[in-house]
Amino acid sequence: DAKTTQPPSMDCAEGRAANLPCNHSTISGNEYVYWYRQIHSQGPQYIIHGLKNNETNEMASLIITEDRKSSTLILPHATLRDTAVYYCIVWIRENSGGSNYKLTFGKGTLLTVNP
Amino acid sequence: KAGVTQTPRYLIKTRGQQVTLSCSPISGHRSVSWYQQTPGQGLQFLFEYFSETQRNKGNFPGRFSGRQFSNSRSEMNVSTLELGDSALYLCASSRGAHNEQFFGPGTRLTVL
Repeated sequence: DAKTTQPPSMDCAEGRAANLPCNHSTISGNEYVYWYRQIHSQGPQYIIHGLKNNETNEMASLIITEDRKSSTLILPHATLRDTAVYYCIVWIRENSGGSNYKLTFGKGTLLTVNP
Repeated sequence: KAGVTQTPRYLIKTRGQQVTLSCSPISGHRSVSWYQQTPGQGLQFLFEYFSETQRNKGNFPGRFSGRQFSNSRSEMNVSTLELGDSALYLCASSRGAHNEQFFGPGTRLTVL
């Protein structure tokens, strides 16, 4: 089962920042937060990941709360091409010996960017 | 750097047939994972291969199988196709099992 909770849908105006929340209250110390997005009928696209510090790359920023129980993906200037389903996933990155190699996707958030 | 490629992109089969899907990972990536995506069940993990060995398997029947070659390319096979096997089959590659996974465009399988 997915270990994250996301709103099913959100709207955003083109050119504005899109802030997508994710709750992961049961996250363990060695689990990372990953974000992927999937544009209709395409393969999921990796966006960003983080452990406890805020992260930024050319696509987005990831803000993780100090207690790590929630995070927010920020698309600073949303465009129509950012309309997609966004998945927040928690995943053990290190080889913990438990051998969990799979990503468990929930239902994600459908972000609709409006002109 | 070329991305993950999957062939064929679209496939139509009939019940009872079998099908083989192919995935070529990003150069240098040794881990290949397969996922099935349907409207009802979402994205579900099938199995993961690393250095030609299957290391993890999801909850799918034995009709679903896979393999990985020495060049890291992978194939998955579905035998005795059922209508419910109609789905988008996605392949993802990563440098190692615990690195970011990069997905291919998928193979859309329709079973009639």
